[in-house]
Amino acid sequence: GAGVSQSPSNKVTEKGKDVELRCDPISGHTALYWYRQSLGQGLEFLIYFQGNSAPDKSGLPSDRFSAERTGGSVSTLTIQRTQQEDSAVYLCASSLGVGTGELFFGEGSRLTVL
Amino acid sequence: RKEVEQDPGPFNVPEGATVAFNCTYSNSASQSFFWYRQDCRKEPKLLMSVYSSGNEDGRFTAQLNRASQYISLLIRDSKLSDSATYLCVVFTGGGNKLTFGTGTQLKVEL
Repeated sequence: GAGVSQSPSNKVTEKGKDVELRCDPISGHTALYWYRQSLGQGLEFLIYFQGNSAPDKSGLPSDRFSAERTGGSVSTLTIQRTQQEDSAVYLCASSLGVGTGELFFGEGSRLTVL
Repeated sequence: RKEVEQDPGPFNVPEGATVAFNCTYSNSASQSFFWYRQDCRKEPKLLMSVYSSGNEDGRFTAQLNRASQYISLLIRDSKLSDSATYLCVVFTGGGNKLTFGTGTQLKVEL
């Protein structure tokens, strides 16, 4: 499809395990964002990629979280040694550029840490 | 103080009613403003941008008040399908800085 694709859609893991979440943005979109949303909460910014610039990692909650974007396209968010408080929906979005305001979101990856 | 604040609601209104939401922002340097809609257990989607002069899209009107640092969304002739959470989004510039409010829940009832 032409939209933002995320996988897996659901992930259940045990505390202490590592998880990888994948995002495939819309072709041609140079900006890619990761957010997370806990139940009943707003979107929490995690990290932002724009073209070849250094990513803005200011939202990552701890050093257990990391993300990369390969070839300016697909991105992977990795959470090491997961904790129960990491349980949330992780949303990826892409846009044509900075400040356009129109982010196209994927359907999210729902992470449950037991 | 949060960067972007919204009344969480819920706003329960009858079909056909007019309803308005406000959103306040703390950074006076904020440059652009948007309303997103998020249906239950779905991803957010852009509803409309908010321009300085105010703008209208069908039954939806968005306004910006820079002096008081708030934006508003007015929905006229509410439909059942308008039931959703409405997210206020503010862009402050300097690379990425899109900040989402926690959203206002609207429930339109028969």
